[in-house]
Amino acid sequence: NAGVTQTPKFQVLKTGQSMTLQCAQDMNHNSMYWYRQDPGMGLRLIYYSASEGTTDKGEVPNGYNVSRLNKREFSLRLESAAPSQTSVYFCASSEKAGRDTQYFGPGTRLTVL
Amino acid sequence: GEDVEQSLFLSVREGDSSVINCTYTDSSSTYLYWYKQEPGAGLQLLTYIFSNMDMKQDQRLTVLLNKKDKHLSLRIADTQTGDSAIYFCAELMDSSYKLIFGSGTRLLVRP
Repeated sequence: NAGVTQTPKFQVLKTGQSMTLQCAQDMNHNSMYWYRQDPGMGLRLIYYSASEGTTDKGEVPNGYNVSRLNKREFSLRLESAAPSQTSVYFCASSEKAGRDTQYFGPGTRLTVL
Repeated sequence: GEDVEQSLFLSVREGDSSVINCTYTDSSSTYLYWYKQEPGAGLQLLTYIFSNMDMKQDQRLTVLLNKKDKHLSLRIADTQTGDSAIYFCAELMDSSYKLIFGSGTRLLVRP
């Protein structure tokens, strides 16, 4: 089992460009999450998907959209990247939302110039 | 409100015990977690404790929870250089899907 995988590992964008971060899990988990991690701060939840077919906003959703493509995959899209979105992005999954442990991917380091 | 606080930095000598502390503000949290992050890597779950427990031990790791003071600690016995990493405390809010993280404690283990 690969667990939670993310692509790409690194990305540099110019302001205004768009891109999609991909996440997949092979643990048959129902719930998936996108977080961002900024220096000196803990992780902050951007969006989550409690189950296939549903998505909900987290703490910091502005400037992002998500798609739960199927049970395995949950993508995060930046339509018009801004320097404030420079961060490390982590995807996570859990068996179900709420009380189950979340397992994290290795992260995508994004720089917006 | 929701807030999880940790000290930023801890330095110990190899072989000593490390104690990393965390305080949280929301008494409705149900589960409390410790995650480890090594440089350039994702978060690895170390251990967790239910909010109705006081202590949990798992090999070299001991988690203590003082629910009255909303204080959580992680003790690492016989700390090794491989334990050098950032440790995050996180609480899971009751009736919510939100995992609230502290800002992380950087543990440096000196040989």
